[in-house]
Amino acid sequence: SQKIEQNSEALNIQEGKTATLTCNYTNYSPAYLQWYRQDPGRGPVFLLLIRENEKEKRKERLKVTFDTTLKQSLFHITASQPADSATYLCALEASGTYKYIFGTGTRLKVLA
Amino acid sequence: DTGVSQDPRHKITKRGQNVTFRCDPISEHNRLYWYRQTLGQGPEFLTYFQNEAQLEKSRLLSDRFSAERPKGSFSTLEIQRTEQGDSAMYLCASSFGTDNYGYTFGSGTRLTVV
Repeated sequence: SQKIEQNSEALNIQEGKTATLTCNYTNYSPAYLQWYRQDPGRGPVFLLLIRENEKEKRKERLKVTFDTTLKQSLFHITASQPADSATYLCALEASGTYKYIFGTGTRLKVLA
Repeated sequence: DTGVSQDPRHKITKRGQNVTFRCDPISEHNRLYWYRQTLGQGPEFLTYFQNEAQLEKSRLLSDRFSAERPKGSFSTLEIQRTEQGDSAMYLCASSFGTDNYGYTFGSGTRLTVV
């Protein structure tokens, strides 16, 4: 069956370090992969989209990689700040379905 | 344009009652999605519209759930004969195509069935 796996354990890192979050998937062939940030009690906020033919995408302190052979995406936040503390969700769009399936998210806490 | 609006923000209802939620998407977005999210889980797809056409409904969704998007503008999600298991955050999102922009989510409607 199709599955998206994100580390369910919270990730605690020190301010200024690089946070790396992982999204693994099985039995999907996503044409697009997205990352979202979600704060408690709020809807997810779109951060980055990467296509299956792209290896890497950057936006300010954020970087996403997409390895369709490993079926994995990595999400990096460089020079992390306490304000980056949130839950980060990855979402996959299987070709032609026009809808995204979300992972369970990883909670990140950046310690001052 | 202030983004995607959802109403109400919170709803407490007794088991067996019907509830209806409203979503106003970003005006130029042609796609509208409904998701449900429970604590500690990611959003779960319920249904989506392209303009006024409902293109897909999750197989996991019971017949008690129905959604409409008249005239391709706002959308409503109705749950009939609510059950305690329906308690969740109901999220609406809109997008223009699937490329480049991602979804814009509303703040959600939190439903509590007592």
